Amino acid sequence: EADIYQTPRYLVIGTGKKITLECSQTMGHDKMYWYQQDPGMELHLIHYSYGVNSTEKGDLSSESTVSRIRTEHFPLTLESARPSHTSQYLCASSGTGGGHTYEQYFGPGTRLTVT
Amino acid sequence: KNQVEQSPQSLIILEGKNCTLQCNYTVSPFSNLRWYKQDTGRGPVSLTIMTFSENTKSNGRYTATLDADTKQSSLHITASQLSDSASYICVVSDRGSTLGRLYFGRGTQLTVWP
Repeated sequence: EADIYQTPRYLVIGTGKKITLECSQTMGHDKMYWYQQDPGMELHLIHYSYGVNSTEKGDLSSESTVSRIRTEHFPLTLESARPSHTSQYLCASSGTGGGHTYEQYFGPGTRLTVT
Repeated sequence: KNQVEQSPQSLIILEGKNCTLQCNYTVSPFSNLRWYKQDTGRGPVSLTIMTFSENTKSNGRYTATLDADTKQSSLHITASQLSDSASYICVVSDRGSTLGRLYFGRGTQLTVWP
């Protein structure tokens, strides 16, 4: 069982509200990721971080923003939620082992619904 | 274009039966291939990870194979159980960047009936 946590697990919110999805890991991993996944579709990388004070945009354009002030914490924020933001958001982390054969551990996800 | 294609899209089998899921990829340069199991409403959990030089890897009742020449992989599940009902996702990593970008398939939705 991976030690990576996401809160809330489910969130229903109205259009225009500001929301923050929390992600924490206790494994001391440097790399952290946010993915977006719609039902029956593949995961898309929206943000990643190599470490503290490092954040990069992923493959899928997203209006969300992230921050990495502490190693264990990688929150995602939407300043003004819209129905198009309705999706499942998955957080993941990985260590910095040799080569690219590192394991990514996923949190349980946050199911976001914007009405 | 780097892609990962999985088949079938969905599969229903009876408890105790075996099944094989397929994955074809075009990711280059190839680093490794992983199979994940994702229960409904949960995050993916790793089953196996294989590098270029590995042809097969097992994890309990799960056996993954890799043919790097044809860029194909399969996941074989033996003696299926009800708890095997989940989406099985094939993920390929490239080695063209420091991040080792992951490319995800859409998954095969497996349902095991009693």
